Amino acid sequence: DTAVSQTPKYLVTQMGNDKSIKCEQNLGHDTMYWYKQDSKKFLKIMFSYNNKELIINETVPNRFSPKSPDKAHLNLHINSLELGDSAVYFCASSQGIGLSGNTIYFGEGSWLTVV
Amino acid sequence: EDQVTQSPEALRLQEGESSSLNCSYTVSGLRGLFWYRQDPGKGPEFLFTLYSAGEEKEKERLKATLTKKESFLHITAPKPEDSATYLCAVRLTGGGNKLTFGTGTQLKVEL
Repeated sequence: DTAVSQTPKYLVTQMGNDKSIKCEQNLGHDTMYWYKQDSKKFLKIMFSYNNKELIINETVPNRFSPKSPDKAHLNLHINSLELGDSAVYFCASSQGIGLSGNTIYFGEGSWLTVV
Repeated sequence: EDQVTQSPEALRLQEGESSSLNCSYTVSGLRGLFWYRQDPGKGPEFLFTLYSAGEEKEKERLKATLTKKESFLHITAPKPEDSATYLCAVRLTGGGNKLTFGTGTQLKVEL
């Protein structure tokens, strides 16, 4: 059973289009994340939700809008796609955000190519 | 500014040739250092968490250690299946559960 699953795995789209990536976790975690990995393999956080509340919002263009309908789901919608948005987007989840924190588990990634 | 630097960027080993990967960090307050393994086309897979200087953790051929300025991932007698990119990440005081990653070490183990 896949713990953190995201769809689609591959997405090729034209500049200016709007697209969404969906993520679901079956680990019972209360915190979910979106990370972006660029062409140099550098992984950087974009957003984090805890119990459906946005708690981390890094410097990301307004064209990116996360939505968490419930604790098990975190979707990423991207408007007016640009060439520079091409990257791998990873969804992740963890239990808790307290002082001890907890291990973050990643999905398999969604490869977005903007042409 | 908080920084995480991994070295080397790439490493080629012969099967059985032990070595170490380095993760050095300059951060204001460390609340955990994480090692992940990433295979091509896959998401990062959790390996270890270290919390305090002097701590060590082992898993099969891998051993992670932590000092006040760096962490090492020691690979003993590696096998081709250990080939992957190894990522180091830190969780900072006041940073919630956000991880700040290094750029990784791409390891290739050859027969």
